[in-house]
Amino acid sequence: EIVLTQSPATLSLSPGERATLSCRASQSISNYLAWYQQKPGQAPRLLIYDTSERATGIPARFSGSGSGTDFTLTISSLEPEDFALYYCLRRSNWPRLTFGGGTRVEIK
Amino acid sequence: QVQLVQSGSDLKKPGASVKVSCKASGYTFTSYGLNWVRQAPGQGLEWMGRIDTYTGNPTYAQGFTGRFVLSLDTSVSTSYLQISSLKAEDTAVYYCARDFSSWYVDYWGQGTLVTVSS
Repeated sequence: EIVLTQSPATLSLSPGERATLSCRASQSISNYLAWYQQKPGQAPRLLIYDTSERATGIPARFSGSGSGTDFTLTISSLEPEDFALYYCLRRSNWPRLTFGGGTRVEIK
Repeated sequence: QVQLVQSGSDLKKPGASVKVSCKASGYTFTSYGLNWVRQAPGQGLEWMGRIDTYTGNPTYAQGFTGRFVLSLDTSVSTSYLQISSLKAEDTAVYYCARDFSSWYVDYWGQGTLVTVSS
């Protein structure tokens, strides 16, 4: 069973700063990793899939990278609307979906 | 456009049952599997299971067998999550989410808050 560990749990930054979020897999998962954003009271929204592909309508300030077991979501310059929870996800032992524990990006 | 619209919030007493619906529109319902995800208050996302909308075959995560049943009514493009013998710890927001490629989900319902309290 694949476990996804996200770090840090909380990231305190100011608007305009760069955010770097990490997702580490317990074993190699090739490039099949996605990232989601969740705001309070809302459903998660797909941001990135296949490690680095932006979903439809996602701004270019969001980018993903990584391979094997280590993956990163980068927000190049935080906008006020980017302060939210972020989850990584991967399907393993199909059709099971495995989520990371989440990283909260909060305003410093 | 693709939409998943879930039923409204519900308040139930312990021991009761609840049935949450997820109505799909904007795409061919039987072409994409539907997943159900639980989010307890202040907690992360937990996959409960998936239903193959073509065959009707459900798959359940560990911890979501027995009291949890996924079903379909393809005539109205709707999936259902039924939870029986409700407990306080079932209090959560329940989401449906559509399969995307073989690896992810893309569209989500707006979530249904189920509160279990005496």
